[in-house]
Amino acid sequence: EAQVTQNPRYLITVTGKKLTVTCSQNMNHEYMSWYRQDPGLGLRQIYYSMNVEVTDKGDVPEGYKVSRKEKRNFPLILESPSPNQTSLYFCASSFHKAGELFFGEGSRLTVL
Amino acid sequence: GENVEQHPSTLSVQEGDSAVIKCTYSDSASNYFPWYKQELGKGPQLIIDIRSNVGEKKDQRIAVTLNKTAKHFSLHITETQPEDSAVYFCAAIGSGGGADGLTFGKGTHLIIQP
Repeated sequence: EAQVTQNPRYLITVTGKKLTVTCSQNMNHEYMSWYRQDPGLGLRQIYYSMNVEVTDKGDVPEGYKVSRKEKRNFPLILESPSPNQTSLYFCASSFHKAGELFFGEGSRLTVL
Repeated sequence: GENVEQHPSTLSVQEGDSAVIKCTYSDSASNYFPWYKQELGKGPQLIIDIRSNVGEKKDQRIAVTLNKTAKHFSLHITETQPEDSAVYFCAAIGSGGGADGLTFGKGTHLIIQP
């Protein structure tokens, strides 16, 4: 089944404790992206990747890192999480930037 | 960069009635306009899209219209059903720069009243 898989789905952590949200897709997509969803603000892009080893900042990259060592994986790293990073996070992938985006089920992160 | 405005933020309609959600965009070079539906607890999913070389596209009860001159596009849902209750996002992408991909509107929470 074609899908984008994120883990963990739910996480409660404390300020400053590094965490990684994994994202994996099995559709051989070149384009991958991370979004955060907050009430009233819609979907805002954090980072995106056009292909392996090619990543770039989106609209709200502060406090996040990503890597794209393999085509299928695009982890989101919070080196020192803060409460303002409490949000619902979505990973998405597509064949190209203007194609259908396939979203994961989301990861709800709470930073205390 | 692209800016997408979406209205209304919440829309409540009676089951069986029609619903219309409107979006405007800023970049006249944008040429791809998808609509995504997000059900509770799930990720957004593409329901329909339109490219700038057409003015309207239909798929059963849903349709999208595009007015390039006015830089706005709309989602129309007819004969609404309870399963249409969800958050809907419009999006746009330019043809030139913007390697970051789609710019999304802030979403519309559609409520279908029984």
